[in-house]
Parts: sequence; C-alpha cells; structure tokens
Amino acid sequence: DIQMTQSPSSLSASIGDRVTITCQASQDITNYLNWFQQKPGEAPKLLIYDASKLERGVPLTFSGSGSGTNFSLTISNLRPEDLATYYCQQYDDLPPTFGPGTKVDLK
Amino acid sequence: EVFLVESGGGLVRPGGSLRLSCAASGFTFTNAWMTWVRQGPGKRLEWIGRIKSASDGGTIDYAASVKDRFVISRDDSKNTLYLQMNSLQTDDTAVYFCTEGSFDFWGQGTQVTVSS
Repeated sequence: DIQMTQSPSSLSASIGDRVTITCQASQDITNYLNWFQQKPGEAPKLLIYDASKLERGVPLTFSGSGSGTNFSLTISNLRPEDLATYYCQQYDDLPPTFGPGTKVDLK
Repeated sequence: EVFLVESGGGLVRPGGSLRLSCAASGFTFTNAWMTWVRQGPGKRLEWIGRIKSASDGGTIDYAASVKDRFVISRDDSKNTLYLQMNSLQTDDTAVYFCTEGSFDFWGQGTQVTVSS
C-alpha cells in the first residue's frame, strides 16, 4: 500500500494567517491526490482534487500544489470556519490511502 | 441535491455481525461507483472497499483488513448500498461512512462499536 505522511501533525495559527500543510507519498502518485477538511462530528469535505483543482464551492483561499511524491495545501487567509483537521489522500492505486491528518487550531 | 444516509450501526459483541445500509438520492445511483470509508476513534480515515456500477462490471475491491469478513453489495432498484460485516473485532469500532465514487459526497456516518 502507498503510505501517506503529513506535517505538521498540528499547528496553531491566527485568523488571517497563511497556513501550509505538506503531504508526502511513499511513491510517485503523479497528481492523484485529494485534500479533505473534517470538523468534529462531521463527514470529511472534499476541498481539492487532482492535487490542485478546487472543488466547486470551496473558497479561493484554499489552494493545492505538487506532483509526484510531494504536495501541499495552503490556506491563504485563515478564517474561523477553517479551524479543522485536514487530510490528504492518494487515489493513484488501490487501496486509496489517507494521511494521518493535520489539526489546525487557534493560536 | 445529493443525499447519502447511512443506517444500521450499533453495539455488537466480538465475533458478531452487522449490516449497514446507505440510502442514496439526488444523483443517478445506477451509474455511480460507491465506497465505504471508516474512521476509528482518534484514527485516520481508512478505505474499506468499493463497488463499481453494473455497467462498469460491478467489480468489488476490499481493503486487506476486511477482506473475507466484509461484503459490499448494492441494490440499484432501491438506490441503496450495503456493507455486511461479519466476524467483527474490537478494531472494527469506528464511524462508517458511505461516499460516492469520487469522494465528492459523503453520508453523515453511522457508529459501530464492537465490545463485550
């Protein structure tokens, strides 16, 4: 199985900050990567697919980049509603595998 | 609007069985590849398995951790996805989500607790 790692595991930021989360795959997944946002008690919400494409309805403050094995998710202007846990997921190969998550909270 | 509603979760003893359902609406279920994902307490999301549409062969793929214990099926006449879980273990305790093939849409999840 393809292993996914994320860093940091958690971060504290202020409203308005620029936040970057990184994700690494154990092998080349080209651009077959999703980013999800999950709030407590809720289902994950797809933010980014194909590493850099914004899902419909997702604010432009979210962006994704990367290819191969290294990827990143950036929130350009952190809002209170962005406080959540973020997961990357590869879908290049079965089984699709998720990263361990990065929890973003308020400084 | 797309809706996915899971049901059937609950408390079950180790070695027991449970069947989850996922009722779908708001999209053409017959054409959709459907997936089950679970999340144990404090754990990352885990893909359990996927069933393709009948027009794409209806192939079913499973994660190694559940293969030979869990069975995914679908009833296109009822727009419903199923997950039959057998020989349940404490490690199977999780919230179980159904999701449409591209992970665009998710249900709210149903809690399964395996405990004696």
